[in-house]
Amino acid sequence: DAKTTQPTSMDCAEGRAANLPCNHSTISGNEYVYWYRQIHSQGPQYIIHGLKNNETNEMASLIITEDRKSSTLILPHATLRDTAVYYCIVRTSGTYKYIFGTGTRLKVLA
Amino acid sequence: NAGVTQTPKFQVLKTGQSMTLQCAQDMNHEYMSWYRQDPGMGLRLIHYSVGAGITDQGEVPNGYNVSRSTTEDFPLRLLSAAPSQTSVYFCASREGKGPYEQYFGPGTRLTVT
Repeated sequence: DAKTTQPTSMDCAEGRAANLPCNHSTISGNEYVYWYRQIHSQGPQYIIHGLKNNETNEMASLIITEDRKSSTLILPHATLRDTAVYYCIVRTSGTYKYIFGTGTRLKVLA
Repeated sequence: NAGVTQTPKFQVLKTGQSMTLQCAQDMNHEYMSWYRQDPGMGLRLIHYSVGAGITDQGEVPNGYNVSRSTTEDFPLRLLSAAPSQTSVYFCASREGKGPYEQYFGPGTRLTVT
């Protein structure tokens, strides 16, 4: 599975959009991009995933560049409850392993 | 659905003791896995299972055993606890090997003295 690179930490003002980048320059054609987050010491929570096209759900939007070497998770209106560590993971559909990195610690400021 | 459940929530062991961390899921998921998370770190995969009777090693399998006798349960056994195994342990499950989301349990916080 391809490796991912994320900034260690980011701040975002409450009510503003939070844009979390992820670099996955070695991604291959059949690898999906997944995003999870972990609030405090709880179990990670699934946010969204995509292959090529941009995706949106009730929590967030995922923008994948045309060359698929990077992606951005967008939380459109960040709240204090979005303060968490966000993990970007690349995984091949058809394999079983999820490999987590150290993620981005997002702090939403009042 | 209860989702993924783990017991106990907290555990303190002495070096050399053994114990089993329990994990169960009620979603009929094919895939289950165990992760450990050390302070300030991401999750590291210990062992995983792709179905009853089938298990395989992850990134950090040493010192741990698993078995999968039923679809629902995936216990993690510490054979002889060491201080280096002090960590938070998460169990997870997923429907299969397609592009499915993974569901995590609430975690077990283990301290080995």
